Amino acid sequence: EVQVVESGGGLVQPGRSLRLSCTSSGFTFGDYAMSWVRQAPGKGLEWVGFIRSKPHGGTTEYAASVTGRFTILRDDSKSIVYLHMNSLKTDDTAVYYCSRAPRYSIGWLGGYFMDVWGKGTTVTVSS
Amino acid sequence: DIQMTQSPSSLSASVGDRVTITCRASQSLRTFLNWYQQKPGKPPNLLIYSASSLQSGVPSRFSGSGSGTDFTLTISSLQIEDFATYYCQQTYTTPYTFGQGTKLEIK
Repeated sequence: EVQVVESGGGLVQPGRSLRLSCTSSGFTFGDYAMSWVRQAPGKGLEWVGFIRSKPHGGTTEYAASVTGRFTILRDDSKSIVYLHMNSLKTDDTAVYYCSRAPRYSIGWLGGYFMDVWGKGTTVTVSS
Repeated sequence: DIQMTQSPSSLSASVGDRVTITCRASQSLRTFLNWYQQKPGKPPNLLIYSASSLQSGVPSRFSGSGSGTDFTLTISSLQIEDFATYYCQQTYTTPYTFGQGTKLEIK
């Protein structure tokens, strides 16, 4: 079964750090980009960032709201993607979803979609 | 950043109705536009990618169209399980922004 499972959420004080993990199974992890999306309580979806597959550079992109504070890393040998979150703010309180992000091409341009999602892990930033 | 605006923000409809949700981008996306459905307490579920490609396993009553800046998601005949919130997302350029969502409720 193709699945991704997030872990590592919890209650953390403002200014502290937390690391989320996303463990994948049922597919060739190294062939795919992986993305993080979050949803604050009662709010819509917010794209956090993603990491490309190694064949497409393995590079990362982030939303402006987390740039400089969050880092996405991948370990293809373990089929895990991590979201390292530093200098956490109360606004970072949300359910964090990991998703697989297949790439497709239209001409010379490439796009992504998120087709396999985990159930999410809750991060609460509060003193 | 590309701004994505969905309309309407909420919609009441009945089982069997044909429903259309619109998503407008602040600049051209070509066809790099995805649609997701989300039910309360659940992760999003991919419905449509590349503006009009139906994801495997998604019922054929869902369809997507559009290119450039204007896109639509159509549900041809609403079923009870379709009452949910729908989001568009652009993946033309990072950050891959979502629309604010359209909540589809039972009339």
